[in-house]
Amino acid sequence: DAGVTQSPTHLIKTRGQQVTLRCSPKSGHDTVSWYQQALGQGPQFIFQYYEEEERQRGNFPDRFSGHQFPNYSSELNVNALLLGDSALYLCASSLPGGSGELFFGEGSRLTVL
Amino acid sequence: QKEVEQDPGPLSVPEGAIVSLNCTYSNSAFQYFMWYRQYSRKGPELLMYTYSSGNKEDGRFTAQVDKSSKYISLFIRDSQPSDSATYLCAMSARTNDYKLSFGAGTTVTVRA
Repeated sequence: DAGVTQSPTHLIKTRGQQVTLRCSPKSGHDTVSWYQQALGQGPQFIFQYYEEEERQRGNFPDRFSGHQFPNYSSELNVNALLLGDSALYLCASSLPGGSGELFFGEGSRLTVL
Repeated sequence: QKEVEQDPGPLSVPEGAIVSLNCTYSNSAFQYFMWYRQYSRKGPELLMYTYSSGNKEDGRFTAQVDKSSKYISLFIRDSQPSDSATYLCAMSARTNDYKLSFGAGTTVTVRA
């Protein structure tokens, strides 16, 4: 049983560009959350998707947007990249009905030059 | 002031020692408390999940929550080199809440 898978694992962009990160949840999971983890910091909640809609959002600007597809996979899009967007972006999935347990992928490491 | 503060470490202990990790928080609405382990270049993995105040034990791991002091702890007994990782505390106000508030993490090294 595959866990949460994310792609790409690493990428480098320049300021002002746009990036799309992808996530496939663990089998049987229907809810996807995205977190940003800066170096030496804990993960910060970006948003959560359920039934193809954004249900909760953290304190991130509108440059951060997302999407969930009918097969529960998800994308995170970041526009107009800033140097400060350099971080590990983590996707987490959870069971229908939730148990409070989030299963994290290994993340996509974004470097903005 | 951050909502969740975690002892920064790093910690280096000999194999077999007890590891003590701590977090404090300011939001009295938090009721669900978690500890995640994160190995280098990996995503966080849930270790312990507790509700409200009290103790919970799982093998070599014990989680303690003191809501009156807004203080949580994780103890690792008989530590092993494989326990070397970054430990993150996390908390939320509601069940099935996907917006977790994390501490910054404490990096632990267990020396063989």
